[in-house]
Amino acid sequence: GAVVSQHPSRVICKSGTSVKIECRSLDFQATTMFWYRQFPKQSLMLMATSNEGSKATYEQGVEKDKFLINHASLTLSTLTVTSAHPEDSSFYICSAKDVSGGHYEQYFGPGTRLTVT
Amino acid sequence: GQQVMQIPQYQHVQEGEDFTTYCNSSTTLSNIQWYKQRPGGHPVFLIQLVKSGEVKKQKRLTFQFGEAKKNSSLHITATQTTDVGTYFCAGYTGRRALTFGSGTRLQVQP
Repeated sequence: GAVVSQHPSRVICKSGTSVKIECRSLDFQATTMFWYRQFPKQSLMLMATSNEGSKATYEQGVEKDKFLINHASLTLSTLTVTSAHPEDSSFYICSAKDVSGGHYEQYFGPGTRLTVT
Repeated sequence: GQQVMQIPQYQHVQEGEDFTTYCNSSTTLSNIQWYKQRPGGHPVFLIQLVKSGEVKKQKRLTFQFGEAKKNSSLHITATQTTDVGTYFCAGYTGRRALTFGSGTRLQVQP
């Protein structure tokens, strides 16, 4: 199946700093990628839809100036958490859909665990 | 907005017992997908159901999609310790992104 990678897998940063998370589709092109956030023992909550070459679409309640998304190529989307605070500590997961060949499933990256101290 | 709820939130079973999780959407779904997330891991796709009333089986797992396409269930026969994890249903309502259910965490006692 298709592979989606994320980097870094874990990051610890100090309050007030910014953190960039990369999401790559390794063996397929993804015009659309999705960013989710998952707090402990909770479900995945969609944060935004990342569209290659255009602005991301953010879900209600997600600050676009705080969570900057860039989708510069068909295989790479980045999420930057700006001026991170402890309440931003969470598991961030990206996903992408391989629409070639009639596929329909979303492939998830391994996730990035962010801890803000 | 759309809500997708799952019950139970948590289930603890003895190995060999059966397990069922139920998924209910506030709106009609075009299709429903099921994912499994192991502790510390990321969601892994299990299956997709599209047709009203559809039933699919994968070894000990049986998936059903309701007639009204607003609910679904996952049944595991004779659970094993490898079944431990959180099971999520997820659906599209015309949007391009999946909306995930609240999840059911399964613990299997050996």
